[in-house]
Amino acid sequence: DIQMTQSPSSLSASVGDRVTITCRASQSVSYFLNWYQQKPGKAPKLLIYAASNLQSGVPSRFSGSGSGTDFTLTITSLQPEDFATFYCQQSYSSPLTFGGGTKVEIK
Amino acid sequence: QVQLQESGPGLVKPSETLSLNCTVSGGAMSSYYWSWIRQPPGKGLECIGYIYYSGSTNYNPSFKSRVTISVDTSKNQFSLKLNSVTAADTAVYYCARRSYSGGYHFDYWGQGTLVTVSS
Repeated sequence: DIQMTQSPSSLSASVGDRVTITCRASQSVSYFLNWYQQKPGKAPKLLIYAASNLQSGVPSRFSGSGSGTDFTLTITSLQPEDFATFYCQQSYSSPLTFGGGTKVEIK
Repeated sequence: QVQLQESGPGLVKPSETLSLNCTVSGGAMSSYYWSWIRQPPGKGLECIGYIYYSGSTNYNPSFKSRVTISVDTSKNQFSLKLNSVTAADTAVYYCARRSYSGGYHFDYWGQGTLVTVSS
C-alpha cells in the first residue's frame, strides 16, 4: 500500500492567515492526489482533485499543487468556516489510501 | 443533486456480521464506482472496497477475506457485509461515489453511520 504522510498533524491559525499543509507519498503517485475537508460529525468534502483542480463550488482561496511524492494544499486567507481537519488521498493505486489528517484550529 | 444514505444496525456483537445498505438518490448508479469507507472514532479514513454498477468489485486486502460488497441497481442500492467483526471494526461507515476526472476521487458521500461492535 502507498503510505500518505501529512504535516503538520495540527496547526493553530488566525482568520486571514495563509495556511499550507503538506502531503508526502511513500512512492510517486503522479498527480493522482485529492484533498478533502472534514468538519466534526460530518462526512469529508472533496476540495481538490488531481492535485490542482478545484472541485465545483469550492472557494478559490483553496488551491493544490505538486506531483510525484510531494503535494501542498494552500488556503490563502483562512475563514472561520475553514476550521476543520484536512485529508489527502492518493488514487494512483489500490487500495486508495488517505493521509492521517491535519487539524486546523483557531489561534 | 446526488445523495447517499447509509442504513443498518448501529450495534453488532463480536464475531457476527456487520451489514449496511447505501441508498443512492438524485442520480443513476450506472457508469460509477460505489465505495465503502470507514473512520474509527478519532482516527483517519480507510477504504474498504468498491463495486462498479455492473457488479465487479475490488476490496482492500486488509479486509478481503471478511468483506462482501454487492449492488442492486433496481433499488439504487449497494451493500456492505463485514463478517467476524471485533471491537476494532467499531467506526463510522461512509458510503461514497467514486468518480473519475483526471483520477479517481470521492465526490459524493453519505452522512455516515456509527457502528459499534460490543456484546
